Amino acid sequence: LAKTTQPISMDSYEGQEVNITCSHNNIATNDYITWYQQFPSQGPRFIIQGYKTKVTNEVASLFIPADRKSSTLSLPRVSLSDTAVYYCLVGAHNTDKLIFGTGTRLQVFP
Amino acid sequence: DTGVSQDPRHKITKRGQNVTFRCDPISEHNRLYWYRQTLGQGPEFLTYFQNEAQLEKSRLLSDRFSAERPKGSFSTLEIQRTEQGDSAMYLCASSPWGMDRGLGYTFGSGTRLTVV
Repeated sequence: LAKTTQPISMDSYEGQEVNITCSHNNIATNDYITWYQQFPSQGPRFIIQGYKTKVTNEVASLFIPADRKSSTLSLPRVSLSDTAVYYCLVGAHNTDKLIFGTGTRLQVFP
Repeated sequence: DTGVSQDPRHKITKRGQNVTFRCDPISEHNRLYWYRQTLGQGPEFLTYFQNEAQLEKSRLLSDRFSAERPKGSFSTLEIQRTEQGDSAMYLCASSPWGMDRGLGYTFGSGTRLTVV
């Protein structure tokens, strides 16, 4: 599975847009990019997945450039409840297991 | 079915004791995974089942660890002769086989083990 690199931590204020970038230079042709969110004392929760260009859902947007060597998770107008750890994962659709890195710890301040 | 259930939520045990955790997956999910997570780290894969068959075990899963899924429904993870280094959150997840794994993975809230 492709190794990912993301910032260890980020700070933001309520109402701001937050962009978390993940590098995955060795991404394979059949790999997808998936982001998970984890609150303290809970298991990770799926946020969004994409292969190329842009994907948007009710929670976030995912921007993937043409070379696919990086991706950016965009959280619009964050609130205090968005304080969590965000994981970027790269792998094929039919991979048997998810491999997590250390994630990005997002702290949102009032 | 409200999701993946794990029991207990918290467990404190003395070093050297055996502990067993239970995971009840979403009923229609035939894949079940165990992960371990220590403070400040992402979840680490331990093992997974497809129905009752254990298909892969991580090197992290020493011989003191054993997992079962006897009827392809709930699963148990047992740790024998616990050590302080076993203190962690143990997470269970399930997914339907063949489905887009990113969308199909559902995690439980975990069992937090503290070995004293």
